[in-house]
Amino acid sequence: GAGVSQSPSNKVTEKGKDVELRCDPISGHTALYWYRQRLGQGLEFLIYFQGNSAPDKSGLPSDRFSAERTGESVSTLTIQRTQQEDSAVYLCASSPYFTGGSEAFFGQGTRLTVV
Amino acid sequence: GNSVTQMEGPVTLSEEAFLTINCTYTATGYPSLFWYVQYPGEGLQLLLKATKADDKGSNKGFEATYRKETTSFHLEKGSVQVSDSAVYFCALNPNDYKLSFGAGTTVTVRA
Repeated sequence: GAGVSQSPSNKVTEKGKDVELRCDPISGHTALYWYRQRLGQGLEFLIYFQGNSAPDKSGLPSDRFSAERTGESVSTLTIQRTQQEDSAVYLCASSPYFTGGSEAFFGQGTRLTVV
Repeated sequence: GNSVTQMEGPVTLSEEAFLTINCTYTATGYPSLFWYVQYPGEGLQLLLKATKADDKGSNKGFEATYRKETTSFHLEKGSVQVSDSAVYFCALNPNDYKLSFGAGTTVTVRA
C-alpha cells in the first residue's frame, strides 16, 4: 500500500478482554515499530522488529503485551486481559532500514478505549 | 540513556508571528535528530531531520540546526500560518533503531 495501515482505527473493549491490533507496514520496509501515546503525553516506545525478529522488547509494559511479525510484513500487537490504563492510541511505524538517519513512516494509529 | 526534552506547551500565537520550539537532547555518540508533526486528525509525519552536527534541516518554512555544542535542535519558523496548528515532536535516533520522542508541543495559530 501507499502508507502504513493500522486496523481497527478505533476499538472499545471491556476490561479483562483480549485485543489484537494490526499493522501493515510499507512494502519492503525492514524495520517496524510500535509506540503508545497516552492522552496529552509523548510517544512511549514499546517494541521494534528487524524483519520478523524483535531484538528489543524492553518497552512492553507488562507480560500482558506481546507482538509478532510475519516476515517483513504484517505485525500484530496483542494485549491480554486489558486494563483501563491500557487506553491509549497505539501507533505503528515502519522504515526502510533500522539505522539512525532513516525516516519512520507512521500509521494513523488505533485508538483503544478500555471500559 | 537517550532522552529528548522539548518546550512545554501549549503555545498560542497569531498569524505571521515567529515560532520557536526548544529541543535539547541527551545521547551518546552522534544521533540523528528529527522533528515530527501531527496535524489535527492525521498521523505523525516527518517535518525535517539532520543527521550530523551543524546540519540544518528545513521544510515548509521550518528550520532546525543540529547544535552538538549545546545538544540542541530548536525548531523555528519566521511567519506562521493557521495551517501550522499542530503538535510538534522532537526526536532522536542514536544510530541504532529506537526513536526517542519528546513529550510534544501543541501549537495553535490564530487568524
